[in-house]
Parts: sequence; structure tokens; C-alpha cells
Amino acid sequence: AQSVSQHNHHVILSEAASLELGCNYSYGGTVNLFWYVQYPGQHLQLLLKYFSGDPLVKGIKGFEAEFIKSKFSFNLRKPSVQWSDTAEYFCAVSTLMDTGRRALTFGSGTRLQVQP
Amino acid sequence: DSGVTQTPKHLITATGQRVTLRCSPRSGDLSVYWYQQSLDQGLQFLIQYYNGEERAKGNILERFSAQQFPDLHSELNLSSLELGDSALYFCASSGVGFVDTQYFGPGTRLTVL
Repeated sequence: AQSVSQHNHHVILSEAASLELGCNYSYGGTVNLFWYVQYPGQHLQLLLKYFSGDPLVKGIKGFEAEFIKSKFSFNLRKPSVQWSDTAEYFCAVSTLMDTGRRALTFGSGTRLQVQP
Repeated sequence: DSGVTQTPKHLITATGQRVTLRCSPRSGDLSVYWYQQSLDQGLQFLIQYYNGEERAKGNILERFSAQQFPDLHSELNLSSLELGDSALYFCASSGVGFVDTQYFGPGTRLTVL
């Protein structure tokens, strides 16, 4: 079965530190890739997405992600985090289900805590 | 605000009961997706409807069912509730295709006592 792995479960950074959150998936076919963010008490919001083209994708709030096909990875980065980036971050990959249809498979999430 | 609305925000009920969660997609979106988010299982895809028809099924229990109505709103019915069904239930909607960009609603927090 397809899976999405986010190895960092909880990350604590100081403001202005650089961020990189890992995301790896196991799927050999064509993928669409997403990062979502969930601020405390709120719903999931789309940060960025990759469907095709330039593997370096820029999203909202200064986030970017790089798709490396050979490594099955889609890591999220931000050069300088702010306290307001404290949230849970979910990587998601569109995968082919047994029915032949595609659906989003989410990673387990990474909780980012930014200390002022 | 994503444009996806869900009611109620919170629901507290007892084991064995049945509840209905409601979702209204963004204007113009034909697809509705339901997800369950719990501490131990993470975010799990349950089911997708597209223009009134079931399109894809994920890890949805037989005690759970959903439907999408002609006005495109959707309802998720959870029956014979168990303690383990306590979770956040999110609805998302998208425009076209099976996995277009999905926009999530605020969720319904279900507590089963």
C-alpha cells in the first residue's frame, strides 16, 4: 500500500531559524504532492502543491518545497521561521487506490513549535 | 476561510447512538471528501462524492455512510457509535478531477462518551 512518511514528529525551533521538514512517499507512479498546515484549533490550509514542472515549488507565507523524484521526497523548507508558524504540518500525496481511483494519503504530521 | 462549512462544530453523544455531520462545499465545487482525524490514526480519508455519486472509498467503517444531495451538500452518518469514533471529522471540497486541490472545512469534533 502507498504510504507517506514524515519522520519528524515534533520540531522545536527558535525564531529566525531555518526549517526543513521531511516527507517521503512510497509510490512509483505519477504523483501530485501537497503540504497542508493546521494552526492550533483551525482547519487544514493548503501551503503549496506540486503537479508538474519546476520541482521547486513556492507557496504562501515564505514556504517552499522541493520534489526530488529519485528520492521520493517532497521536503518543506522555510529560511527563517516566525512564532506564527507554530502549527502542525501535513504532507499529502495523491495515490492510486485499489479501485483505480486516486485519493489523498496524508502523512502523520509534524508539530512545529517556534519559540520567540 | 476556505468557503467550506461544516455543522455542528462540536457534538457530544453516547455509545450506540447515531449522528449526522453536515458539510457544504465551496460554491461551484462538485467533489466532497470526508476525513477522520484522531490522535492514534492521524488524518484518514473516508470517502469522496462527486456530483451526487460515490467516487472513492477509503478507510470507512461499515457503520459509517455518506451521501451527497442535489444541492451538493453532503452528510456523513455515523451509527452504533463507539468510544474510538471520537475524533475530528473534516470535510473538504474540490473543483474538478479526483485529486484537485482540496479545501478543508473547520471540522466537527465528535466526542463519544
